[in-house]
Amino acid sequence: EDKVVQSPLSLVVHEGDTVTLNCSYEVTNFRSLLWYKQEKKAPTFLFMLTSSGIEKKSGRLSSILDKKELFSILNITATQTGDSAVYLCAVGDNNAGNMLTFGGGTRLMVKP
Amino acid sequence: NAGVTQTPKFQVLKTGQSMTLQCAQDMNHNSMYWYRQDPGMGLRLIYYSASEGTTDKGEVPNGYNVSRLNKREFSLRLESAAPSQTSVYFCASSDRVYNEQFFGPGTRLTVL
Repeated sequence: EDKVVQSPLSLVVHEGDTVTLNCSYEVTNFRSLLWYKQEKKAPTFLFMLTSSGIEKKSGRLSSILDKKELFSILNITATQTGDSAVYLCAVGDNNAGNMLTFGGGTRLMVKP
Repeated sequence: NAGVTQTPKFQVLKTGQSMTLQCAQDMNHNSMYWYRQDPGMGLRLIYYSASEGTTDKGEVPNGYNVSRLNKREFSLRLESAAPSQTSVYFCASSDRVYNEQFFGPGTRLTVL
């Protein structure tokens, strides 16, 4: 059974801080790892990672995957109050078609 | 291009009542999914449909049934609602090739 564990469960920082969110996984036949941001409603896609060591970057957000150690991190630099959300990590398994297994999420609160 | 749409947005049921949640996507995706999200539990897969004409159980299928009506529509039915089914329900879709899933806005269901 595929498993995704995110840490920390929650985090409170001040604007301008840098945060690192962690995602570790166990999967039978790794296909991809995805990060989503969820504010009040539906999750919105951030990154998809398939290869180790290649950083994906979008503005102040970046993410990297380590397929040997089975984890990924999501970094947010110069945080803003608009970054407050739940960040979800999910893994895709080649043995499971298009199914994704989601972690429980990290709740980030950025204070002014 | 509306993406993934869900109806209704909110619903209150009494124990034992039945209802159907509707989902439609206009992205010509092959795969569609139903998730439930409970506080602190992340997203859990109820059922999915890898392609038109097929449906499979996910992690928490008990108490639910689904119908893949056509390529666009995937409905979720609660035959006899129970308070344990109080949750937020998300529908999602994805292209067969890529794992990125696009989510609908969600349905908040309360069972009294």
